Amino acid sequence: AQTVTQSQPEMSVQEAETVTLSCTYDTSENNYYLFWYKQPPSRQMILVIRQEAYKQQNATENRFSVNFQKAAKSFSLKISDSQLGDTAMYFCAFMKRGRGSARQLTFGSGTQLTVLP
Amino acid sequence: DAGVTQSPTHLIKTRGQQVTLRCSPISGHKSVSWYQQVLGQGPQFIFQYYEKEERGRGNFPDRFSARQFPNYSSELNVNALLLGDSALYLCASSRGIDRSAVNSPLHFGNGTRLTVT
Repeated sequence: AQTVTQSQPEMSVQEAETVTLSCTYDTSENNYYLFWYKQPPSRQMILVIRQEAYKQQNATENRFSVNFQKAAKSFSLKISDSQLGDTAMYFCAFMKRGRGSARQLTFGSGTQLTVLP
Repeated sequence: DAGVTQSPTHLIKTRGQQVTLRCSPISGHKSVSWYQQVLGQGPQFIFQYYEKEERGRGNFPDRFSARQFPNYSSELNVNALLLGDSALYLCASSRGIDRSAVNSPLHFGNGTRLTVT
């Protein structure tokens, strides 16, 4: 079984500043994906960024980037130039990779990020 | 294209009752997954259906059941409701299970908020 741990229940950052959200995970799998989702008050879970475990290069999506350390089982999210619209709950998630495998996400407990004006 | 739609948005039930939640996936998506999100926690995987067959099941009691219809929409049923079933129920769709998670990410709906009194 996989576990995902987010040790920062709440964080805040000033608008335009940079913030890093932490995530660690535990698995015996070698092929998997890691994701960051955001959940604003609208409740919809929105994909922010994804990383394939077999790729050493860290994923980036505009202002969002990750620091993926496979050996340490660490997957942090960096948000640059924070915007008020980034205020949301952020979830780190794990998915086992495999043909025919259930598309099952294992989520962490979340980090509530507040961007301050 | 419309996103994943869930109905109803809110629901109040009494202990012991039964409830049915509905989900319509994005057009062209054949896989539907259900997640339970208790307040203050990350979502937990309940079921995945693909081509009307159950492809994955999380650690939930038999009171929880689901099905997928020929048009790929899905229903989640919960019998003998308990207070602990109060949660946000999220539905997610994807094109299938034989594509990589990178190329076929999960798209979530806005959820159904179930309150059991």
